[in-house]
Amino acid sequence: ETGVTQSPTHLIKTRGQQVTLRCSSQSGHNTVSWYQQALGQGPQFIFQYYREEENGRGNFPPRFSGLQFPNYSSELNVNALELDDSALYLCASSSDNTDTQYFGPGTRLTVL
Amino acid sequence: QKEVEQDPGPLSVPEGAIVSLNCTYSNSAFQYFMWYRQYSRKGPELLMYTYSSGNKEDGRFTAQVDKSSKYISLFIRDSQPSDSATYLCAMTKLSGGYNKLIFGAGTRLAVHP
Repeated sequence: ETGVTQSPTHLIKTRGQQVTLRCSSQSGHNTVSWYQQALGQGPQFIFQYYREEENGRGNFPPRFSGLQFPNYSSELNVNALELDDSALYLCASSSDNTDTQYFGPGTRLTVL
Repeated sequence: QKEVEQDPGPLSVPEGAIVSLNCTYSNSAFQYFMWYRQYSRKGPELLMYTYSSGNKEDGRFTAQVDKSSKYISLFIRDSQPSDSATYLCAMTKLSGGYNKLIFGAGTRLAVHP
């Protein structure tokens, strides 16, 4: 059974640029959630995708958007990057939208 | 006030010690409680998942939930240097059919030989 994978591992961008992060969910899981973890903080919920639809969103601006594909993999897109967007971005998958979440290794984004 | 409060530590203990990690929360609607372990520069790894008040044991780990006091704990017996990590408590209330985890800030634990 393959766990949650994320790409890329690290990314450096400059202010104003756009970025796309990718996540492959664990085999058999149809739900993907995205979290942002700033240094020294716990993860903060960005949004959740269930069967290709966004079904819940945290307190993040619209420049954070996402997609889920028919194979349940997912993308997180961030437009107009700001310095405060520098963080570890975590993807978590679950077998249902209400089930236990299992995390990937994360993508570390640095915005200069 | 944050919904979930967790002492960030760091907590330093000798190998073999019993470790107690704690979180308090303010929202009585939280129903499910989890503990995750996060090694440096890695993703969180699920350790324990509990629903009801009381204790749940898994090997050297015991999770305790007291809903009346809005207080959860994780105990680690016979701590090992490999337990050195950040421990995150997380909880959720099922809201509108989706599962949003609310995390504490994490407690850094160092177990020294």
